[in-house]
Amino acid sequence: DAKTTQPTSMDCAEGRAANLPCNHSTISGNEYVYWYRQIHSQGPQYIIHGLKNNETNEMASLIITEDRKSSTLILPHATLRDTAVYYCIVRVLRSNDYKLSFGAGTTVTVRA
Amino acid sequence: DTEVTQTPKHLVMGMTNKKSLKCEQHMGHRAMYWYKQKAKKPPELMFVYSYEKLSINESVPSRFSPECPNSSLLNLHLHALQPEDSALYLCASSHPWGTSEGSNIQYFGAGTRLSVL
Repeated sequence: DAKTTQPTSMDCAEGRAANLPCNHSTISGNEYVYWYRQIHSQGPQYIIHGLKNNETNEMASLIITEDRKSSTLILPHATLRDTAVYYCIVRVLRSNDYKLSFGAGTTVTVRA
Repeated sequence: DTEVTQTPKHLVMGMTNKKSLKCEQHMGHRAMYWYKQKAKKPPELMFVYSYEKLSINESVPSRFSPECPNSSLLNLHLHALQPEDSALYLCASSHPWGTSEGSNIQYFGAGTRLSVL
């Protein structure tokens, strides 16, 4: 029941900004968007999340469109260590609790 | 400390074996999760415990039996598994939904890589 669609893969040059798009056209009004990444053989790592306002932290920025049907994760200065699978996730209500519904992910390769 | 510790890191078991996966966190989180991840696929939620009570079971077969003995520990008991159950099993923890709205960040362990022969 994934509610997000992402490009399968993308390349990025080291030191440049990486812009990762995500579509979540069926998102409901109270469902948050989360981004996680997973480096090979490790558990997923939290990056950022938001509801409708743009958000920024030390790792990235999250831009959410006004209609909330899509968002973009921005890694401002990509490094080789940012090579990973990036998941765009919607928090959905399930029974009487919430779950993170993972998308298929974008494999990002940062090249020197 | 944002660490979730999973043991063992690797496990090989036969289809008639009984084994358990263990997950531990000391962040004061009262929600804990089990996910299953097949190769080149995203994690899939299996179970959610909130305040040590099972709140979500994603129609997981009964050969997987979760247990939350206290707020820091989460176990996954395995019995009569099939080869298709071979996967990376991830544990995560967070503050329960509704406690700090919007900030229920899940912290993941490194996983247990399970092979069923």
